[in-house]
Amino acid sequence: EIVMTQSPATLSVSPGERATLSCRASQTFGSNLAWYQQKPGQAPRLLMYGASTRATGIPARFSGSGSGTEFTLTISSLQSEDFAVYYCQQYNKWPPAFGQGTKVEIK
Amino acid sequence: EVQLVESGGGLVQPGGSLRVSCAASGFTFSNYEMNWVRQVPGKRLEWIAFISKSGDINYYADSVKGRFTISRDNAKNSLYLQMNSLRADDAGVYYCARQMPGSYDFYDLWGQGVLVAVSS
Repeated sequence: EIVMTQSPATLSVSPGERATLSCRASQTFGSNLAWYQQKPGQAPRLLMYGASTRATGIPARFSGSGSGTEFTLTISSLQSEDFAVYYCQQYNKWPPAFGQGTKVEIK
Repeated sequence: EVQLVESGGGLVQPGGSLRVSCAASGFTFSNYEMNWVRQVPGKRLEWIAFISKSGDINYYADSVKGRFTISRDNAKNSLYLQMNSLRADDAGVYYCARQMPGSYDFYDLWGQGVLVAVSS
């Protein structure tokens, strides 16, 4: 079973600044990685899949990269609506597994 | 509007049973594989069950295997999760999640979630 570890647990960023979130896998795989955004009281929302493909309707300020065991989600210029918890998820090997999340908070 | 709406959550005693439902609308439900994902407070999201488009193939996480049953009724555009022998560590928010077409195990549409509490 692949274990996903995200860092940092909390990221304090000012609006307009860049945010870089990391996700590490316990086993290497290709690029079958997704990212989700979750706001308080809401369901997760798909942001990215295939490590770097934006889901429908996701703004271009979100980008993803990585393969193997190291993956990154970058938000180029944080907007007020981007403050949330972000989860990565591997779907390369059964069972699908999520990271523990990174909370992006206002600095 | 394309959406998933869960219902049926509530408080149940340890060892008890509960069935949660998920109503799909705005898309052709029978064309999609579906899943249940849960979120225990303070913990990560956990995938717990998968069902194929026709309902003939199911997979479960080890944590719920033998206790939970996923099913669907394509005529009613509905997904279900029957939960038996509930334990305290089953408490959390349960989401139904639509799987991206193409046998990729990630989820492009989620319901708002339903709360399951397990306590005596």
